[in-house]
Amino acid sequence: EPEVTQTPSHQVTQMGQEVILRCVPISNHLYFYWYRQILGQKVEFLVSFYNNEISEKSEIFDDQFSVERPDGSNFTLKIRSTKLEDSAMYFCASRSLAGGPWGTDTQYFGPGTRLTVL
Amino acid sequence: RKEVEQDPGPFNVPEGATVAFNCTYSNSASQSFFWYRQDCRKEPKLLMSVYSSGNEDGRFTAQLNRASQYISLLIRDSKLSDSATYLCVVMDNTGKLIFGQGTTLQVKP
Repeated sequence: EPEVTQTPSHQVTQMGQEVILRCVPISNHLYFYWYRQILGQKVEFLVSFYNNEISEKSEIFDDQFSVERPDGSNFTLKIRSTKLEDSAMYFCASRSLAGGPWGTDTQYFGPGTRLTVL
Repeated sequence: RKEVEQDPGPFNVPEGATVAFNCTYSNSASQSFFWYRQDCRKEPKLLMSVYSSGNEDGRFTAQLNRASQYISLLIRDSKLSDSATYLCVVMDNTGKLIFGQGTTLQVKP
C-alpha cells in the first residue's frame, strides 16, 4: 500500500537555526499539506499546496515558514529561524485529485518529524 | 466556540464493552467528516469517513447529524487494541482538515 514518508524522524536544533523537514507524498497525489501537533495539543493545519503554489496558510504559517516542491517527489517545509515554540510533531499529508479542493478523498498522513528546538 | 469539540476523556472501559464518542463542529459549511485514530506519538490514521446516512465498519458505527452539527462514533465489543485517541475531524470548504482535541480510550482486560 502506498504511503507518505517523512525524514528525518527526529530533528534536534538550536534556537535560531534553519531546519528543513522533508516529505515524499503518495505518487499520484496532487494536494499536499503540513500540519503540526504540539505535545498534548490538537493537530493544527499549517499550509496546503497545489499546482506548485500555496492554496491556503494558517496564522501559524508566518514569514519564518516556507514550503517547496523542488522536484517531482519531495515536498519540504523550511523554518528559517526556529523558536522554542516551534517544537512539535510535524505531519505531512497528501490527497489525490479526485473530488477537487474540497473533495471527500482521504488525506493520508506521514509518520511525522519530531522537531525539538533547544 | 471551538471549531471541533470533543470530550477529552479518558474513557476507561473493560474489554467487550460498548463505548460512544461524540463531537460537535461549529462551521455549517463543513464538507466532509471523519474519525481518525491516533496512537501515542504516531500519525493520525483514518478510521472511517462519516456520512449522513450513517455507516458501519465491523464493530465501528459512525453517525452524522448535519442539522445539529453533531458526529458520533460507537465502538462495540471493545478490544485491548482499540486503546488509542480518537480524533473527530472535519474538512472545511477549502479542503483543510480541522481536528478536535481527541478522546482517549483505554480498554482494560
